[in-house]
Amino acid sequence: QVQLVQSGAEVKKPGASVNVSCKASGYTFTSYAMHWVRQAPGQRLEWMGWINAANGNTKYSQKFQGRLTITRDTSASTAYMELSALRSEDTAVYYCARGGSGNLCGLNWGQGTLVSVSS
Amino acid sequence: EIVLTQSPGTLSLSPGERATLSCRASQSVSSNYLAWYQQKPGQAPRLLIYGASSRASGIPDRFSGSGSGADFTLTISRLEPEDFAVYYCQQYGSSPFTFGGGTKVEIK
Repeated sequence: QVQLVQSGAEVKKPGASVNVSCKASGYTFTSYAMHWVRQAPGQRLEWMGWINAANGNTKYSQKFQGRLTITRDTSASTAYMELSALRSEDTAVYYCARGGSGNLCGLNWGQGTLVSVSS
Repeated sequence: EIVLTQSPGTLSLSPGERATLSCRASQSVSSNYLAWYQQKPGQAPRLLIYGASSRASGIPDRFSGSGSGADFTLTISRLEPEDFAVYYCQQYGSSPFTFGGGTKVEIK
């Protein structure tokens, strides 16, 4: 069955960067996009961006332009999300989610990775 | 950016009752690319409905989606104990792919 397994929780200081990985199994990695979505405590879900796993093309929410980088390693069936210049408002659970047809974001989801930003 | 407004914020119902959740968009959703997700505490969201009315794989038929343009509805025909959760709508027709604020379905 499809599984997305994310890396573990991170604690970062303001201004630092964080890199979260998402290892996929149970499907052909390059046949589906991978999206990243975050959820701050008590807040709504927030879409961040996505990567075409076949060719590496990316699209980011304007909100994260310049700070967000999504990459993938097809040999490892793994997607990565790097967020830089962290601030306290970036404290959230970050999810990877397998895309579907027509930009559908969340066929399957990773378990989530808590990123805490605090001085 | 398309803003999605969900109502009500909280729905208090008993098992066996019908739940009707609303999601209104600030502008028309392209191609009716509207999805519904269920989220339980401490868990990742689960896809229920996509394309406004298509059930995702493995989703019971008591869940149904309807609507078009800027007005969408998720209906749970008869609530089961496992259905008490938070439900989010999301539009994926125009980037950024925004989510609604959620409706919490709680046990009355």
